[in-house]
Amino acid sequence: DAGITQSPRHKVTETGTPVTLRCHQTENHRYMYWYRQDPGHGLRLIHYSYGVKDTDKGEVSDGYSVSRSKTEDFLLTLESATSSQTSVYFCAIKESGAATYGYTFGSGTRLTVV
Amino acid sequence: DAKTTQPNSMESNEEEPVHLPCNHSTISGTDYIHWYRQLPSQGPEYVIHGLTSNVNNRMASLAIAEDRKSSTLILHRATLRDAAVYYCILRSRQDNYGQNFVFGPGTRLSVLP
Repeated sequence: DAGITQSPRHKVTETGTPVTLRCHQTENHRYMYWYRQDPGHGLRLIHYSYGVKDTDKGEVSDGYSVSRSKTEDFLLTLESATSSQTSVYFCAIKESGAATYGYTFGSGTRLTVV
Repeated sequence: DAKTTQPNSMESNEEEPVHLPCNHSTISGTDYIHWYRQLPSQGPEYVIHGLTSNVNNRMASLAIAEDRKSSTLILHRATLRDAAVYYCILRSRQDNYGQNFVFGPGTRLSVLP
């Protein structure tokens, strides 16, 4: 759908292990975002990118890092996964930073940390 | 970004119109009103947005109050596929990177056959 894919779709990992989630787009959009969604909290922004190698923190960035070495890929890494990072993770892309442009979201990655 | 208030849940019958309200009494002159929806087990999807005038597209209509302190998303003929959580979000023109696009709890719409 709409040129954005997330992988893996589901993952179960153990506490303390590193985990990398991938967001891949074929739209050549400049802006990419990682959100997490938890019951009672809606979607919360983790990190975002406004170009290759240009990233910044969002509302809930602690425990996460990101990298964007090429336009099409935005990677989210949990250096040492904790149970509080069990969540559904969504990636989004946006063609322009302007307020009139909408976001396109991926289908999500369901991560369970045991 | 300014905050929005939406009812937690609403119900509608299939093939009837649905009016989803959103209050944003602290909206500023540079805030656009965006609506997204999230179907079960999917990511949010864009529905519509507007600034001052009412807007129509193939999915829905957006009615904006004259003082802009409230808006209403109108689904003209609800189908079972429209059952989703609907989010009303304000997006400032000054938010250059889109990093302040805040999703609240939204309104969970149930559509009854």
